[in-house]
Amino acid sequence: DIQLTQSPSSLSASVGDRVTITCRASQTISSYLNWYQQKPGKAPERLIYAASNLQSGVPLRFSGSGSGTDFTLTISSLLPEDFATYYCQQSYSTPRTFGQGTKVEIK
Amino acid sequence: EVQLVESGGGLVKTGGSLRLSCAASGFTFVTYTMNWVRQAPGKGLEWLSSISGSSTYIYYADSVKGRFTISRDNAKNSLYLQMTSLGAEDTAIYYCARDALNFNWGFDSWGQGTLVTVSS
Repeated sequence: DIQLTQSPSSLSASVGDRVTITCRASQTISSYLNWYQQKPGKAPERLIYAASNLQSGVPLRFSGSGSGTDFTLTISSLLPEDFATYYCQQSYSTPRTFGQGTKVEIK
Repeated sequence: EVQLVESGGGLVKTGGSLRLSCAASGFTFVTYTMNWVRQAPGKGLEWLSSISGSSTYIYYADSVKGRFTISRDNAKNSLYLQMTSLGAEDTAIYYCARDALNFNWGFDSWGQGTLVTVSS
């Protein structure tokens, strides 16, 4: 199975900060990496698919990059509604594993 | 509008069984591969199982293989998860999720989840 390791596991940031979350795969997964946002008590929502493609309706302050084994989710300027937990997921092979999550909290 | 609505969760005794359902609407259900994903309290997301549109391809996570059975009824636009031999480790919110049309693009729609609590 492909393992995904996110870093950091949590971070504290202020409104307006630039935030970067990384996801490293245990083997190459081409660009088959997706990012989800989950707010407390809610279901996850897809933010980015295939490493860098923004889900329709997702604000442009979110961006994704990477290929192979190393991927990044960037929020260019954090807004209050962005405080949530973010998960990466690989769709290169089954089982479609998730990273352990990164919780973005208010500083 | 795509809608996925799970039901069937609840409190079940250790060793018991439960059947979850997911009612789909707003899209051509048979076209899409569907999945079950769970989240234990305070923990991350765990993919459990997937089933292709025609039920030809079915996959399971090792953690549930042999205990859980995924199925679908395209005439009823419904997805199911039959769970047996439940243990405390199966306590979680269970989500159904739709695969994007391109398998490699992840899960583009999720239900709100149904809570399963396993207790002795």
